[in-house]
Amino acid sequence: AQKITQTQPGMFVQEKEAVTLDCTYDTSDPSYGLFWYKQPSSGEMIFLIYQGSYDQQNATEGRYSLNFQKARKSANLVISASQLGDSAMYFCAMRESYNDYKLSFGAGTTVTVRA
Amino acid sequence: SQTIHQWPATLVQPVGSPLSLECTVEGTSNPNLYWYRQAAGRGLQLLFYSVGIGQISSEVPQNLSASRPQDRQFILSSKKLLLSDSGFYLCAWSMVGTPEDEQYFGPGTRLTVT
Repeated sequence: AQKITQTQPGMFVQEKEAVTLDCTYDTSDPSYGLFWYKQPSSGEMIFLIYQGSYDQQNATEGRYSLNFQKARKSANLVISASQLGDSAMYFCAMRESYNDYKLSFGAGTTVTVRA
Repeated sequence: SQTIHQWPATLVQPVGSPLSLECTVEGTSNPNLYWYRQAAGRGLQLLFYSVGIGQISSEVPQNLSASRPQDRQFILSSKKLLLSDSGFYLCAWSMVGTPEDEQYFGPGTRLTVT
């Protein structure tokens, strides 16, 4: 079964607007971590934000925030004030304590920011 | 600070030829090391991971193998490449042991098997 599901293969967003990227996950491990990575066309994977399963508050890092809804097993990424440089592929990933802390990745969402 | 290197950056190899991709990490000791493959426009597939020298776990049965001859060196190999081995190969490292330890990725190797 898929551990991470990203249902949006591609999205367009206008510059300076916000965009929400969906991510749902499946685990029975009480201790897990959720990550978002950005992959520009160069191929490098850039860590954006982390949310722990026991964290009470939603994680924020600059223009990135994670909308964590634990009961719904949802960890959506919100990018505020989109910039042209935000155009990239975005991956949601999960790390489970009983899975040797390996990362399971979703299929990714391609974001294109329009001027 | 820690850095991770991969080489070569790009590689074009004929079917049936051998493969050796190298990954080294600097600035840390005893990291967990990972090899991923990414097909064009797709997500990352974990191929191998290692928690120590000589300790390799394989996630997907295939014609690839991995070795960790030194603490901070991780090598991905094949004796005979297949067309389906084409893809973007990423090496990553993380600290040991807790869910919040992020993985840090190398620049990747783009492999084309012809």
